[in-house]
Amino acid sequence: DQQVKQNSPSLSVQEGRISILNCDYTNSMFDYFLWYKKYPAEGPTFLISISSIKDKNEDGRFTVFLNKSAKHLSLHIVPSQPGDSAVYFCAASATGTYKYIFGTGTRLKVLA
Amino acid sequence: NAGVMQNPRHLVRRRGQEARLRCSPMKGHSHVYWYRQLPEEGLKFMVYLQKENIIDESGMPKERFSAEFPKEGPSILRIQQVVRGDSAAYFCASSPGKAGTGELFFGEGSRLTVL
Repeated sequence: DQQVKQNSPSLSVQEGRISILNCDYTNSMFDYFLWYKKYPAEGPTFLISISSIKDKNEDGRFTVFLNKSAKHLSLHIVPSQPGDSAVYFCAASATGTYKYIFGTGTRLKVLA
Repeated sequence: NAGVMQNPRHLVRRRGQEARLRCSPMKGHSHVYWYRQLPEEGLKFMVYLQKENIIDESGMPKERFSAEFPKEGPSILRIQQVVRGDSAAYFCASSPGKAGTGELFFGEGSRLTVL
């Protein structure tokens, strides 16, 4: 039962354009969401988070949008840079539980 | 402030041997999580521990796998009688608080290869 889904396994974007990575979830109890970036042979690194009391959170080039009614969140990267090429994971947790559930990841390739 | 330290980074075992993976959380962090990433797959939750306590092991296989986080020393993920299907990257993460209160900080992972 995959509670957090990233339906696009890969995405290619031109440098300077916007990258939009999507994530859907099925558990309506999830109330805290995170995005991580992962390079090969390294551990995931935290990018940005959002609580369910918000619908948007912005940090520099990264913005996360949350649509609770659709159980959907997205990560926008603008402008995209070649160094952004990595695998991006979304993760979710529910108050009172003790774990983050991760999606399967989307491989982003930013073309120079 | 050192990050999450995992060792060994790479481990090769033959079928039937034991694998021990260690994780030292960031200073001041008392919450430790173990995740497994199979080739071309996402991160699968295995277990969540606080000092001396297993809080949630719902993602851990019932047999051969165990985890601990003693009062002193690193957290240990132990896999007995390894099989080829155990080949994966095992990531440890730590946090100062429990899930939902902030980010997890990940180590660089331990890559287990079972021959």
